[in-house]
Amino acid sequence: NAGVMQNPRHLVRRRGQEARLRCSPMKGHSHVYWYRQLPEEGLKFMVYLQKENIIDESGMPKERFSAEFPKEGPSILRIQQVVRGDSAAYFCASPQGAGELFFGEGSRLTVL
Amino acid sequence: GENVEQHPSTLSVQEGDSAVIKCTYSDSASNYFPWYKQELGKGPQLIIDIRSNVGEKKDQRIAVTLNKTAKHFSLHITETQPEDSAVYFCAARMNTGFQKLVFGTGTRLLVSP
Repeated sequence: NAGVMQNPRHLVRRRGQEARLRCSPMKGHSHVYWYRQLPEEGLKFMVYLQKENIIDESGMPKERFSAEFPKEGPSILRIQQVVRGDSAAYFCASPQGAGELFFGEGSRLTVL
Repeated sequence: GENVEQHPSTLSVQEGDSAVIKCTYSDSASNYFPWYKQELGKGPQLIIDIRSNVGEKKDQRIAVTLNKTAKHFSLHITETQPEDSAVYFCAARMNTGFQKLVFGTGTRLLVSP
């Protein structure tokens, strides 16, 4: 996973609760991508962040989802008022110098 | 925007056989095509990639070919082993300056001993 750290690995929430997923890119790197993988599907781009800046959020749902990457600390993907359709694996990726994307092990959200 | 189609969705082979997975993309501006292997419960792992200025690339038992005219690229695994069993994803990226990838829907490869 090239040092991309995600937590929690598994998260269970009831409908209406909030979910917070965290991602730390490789040490010294300041860009992260978030992708969502629904069961039995491919990965869908959600958002691309640089520290303190959202570069591209064209894949983010319009409501309930937000992302940030503060100057200090990990990037956070926040899902408010979760619904069952939010159940998925959420992956964070760190870009490398030649353009490759390296993914973390993911956070698997289950909404009851 | 870019659209990537991947076939087949499942592929079963005997150990030692070759496996081929094919992808097509829609945007001729795409210039980078990686392949990822995803094992159960894990994140996607980059296994090989190819750029649009190259037609073929090999790494031991894995090779990728690219046909820019037809807008398709393929993953070839030779001498398959049971540990090759996983879901494989192709992806494409446009030259936008961002490393935003568009993924195919995946191929579940099963290699039987």
